[in-house]
Amino acid sequence: DAGVTQSPTHLIKTRGQQVTLRCSPISGHKSVSWYQQVLGQGPQFIFQYYEKEERGRGNFPDRFSARQFPNYSSELNVNALLLGDSALYLCASSLRDSREKLFFGSGTQLSVL
Amino acid sequence: QQQVKQSPQSLIVQKGGISIINCAYENTAFDYFPWYQQFPGKGPALLIAIRPDVSEKKEGRFTISFNKSAKQFSLHIMDSQPGDSATYFCAAHPTKTSYDKVIFGPGTSLSVIP
Repeated sequence: DAGVTQSPTHLIKTRGQQVTLRCSPISGHKSVSWYQQVLGQGPQFIFQYYEKEERGRGNFPDRFSARQFPNYSSELNVNALLLGDSALYLCASSLRDSREKLFFGSGTQLSVL
Repeated sequence: QQQVKQSPQSLIVQKGGISIINCAYENTAFDYFPWYQQFPGKGPALLIAIRPDVSEKKEGRFTISFNKSAKQFSLHIMDSQPGDSATYFCAAHPTKTSYDKVIFGPGTSLSVIP
């Protein structure tokens, strides 16, 4: 079975631009979470979606938004990019909406110049 | 502010030795404590997890020790191998949430030398 897949693997943007990151969960998983991992730090929770509804949001500005599609795949959008948005963006999927084992993808490395 | 502290920041262990990573939490009740292992270029992978009603959990060479009163927990890797070289994150799930907001520690870079 395929694991969590994320695209693209690497992305370079300039300040002020917008970016969309994509995630496909493991087949049968209905929950998708997004995390931001800055170099040398632990991942930070951004969003969780379950059954296409937002279930939780971390301390990130409104420039960050996400959605989940009927096939449970998800997109993370970041508007008005700042240099500080440069990070590895991780997607994790799980069967249900809480306390389930999280399976992480390899992430999208975003560089903002 | 919910926070999980982790030490040491980096660790070098001889092959066959014991690797010990310590974590502590504060301010907020947590009820699930996973440890994740991350290799370069990969996402974190769940290694082992414990609930606060258990003081110790062992899976193969990996053991979690949990001290609820001290709000501390640790990962022990017995018979450490070069293949264990990775970054390890302790983490915690807050109680009373219906979603998977996992709070991660800052990570420990482990190098196991032959």
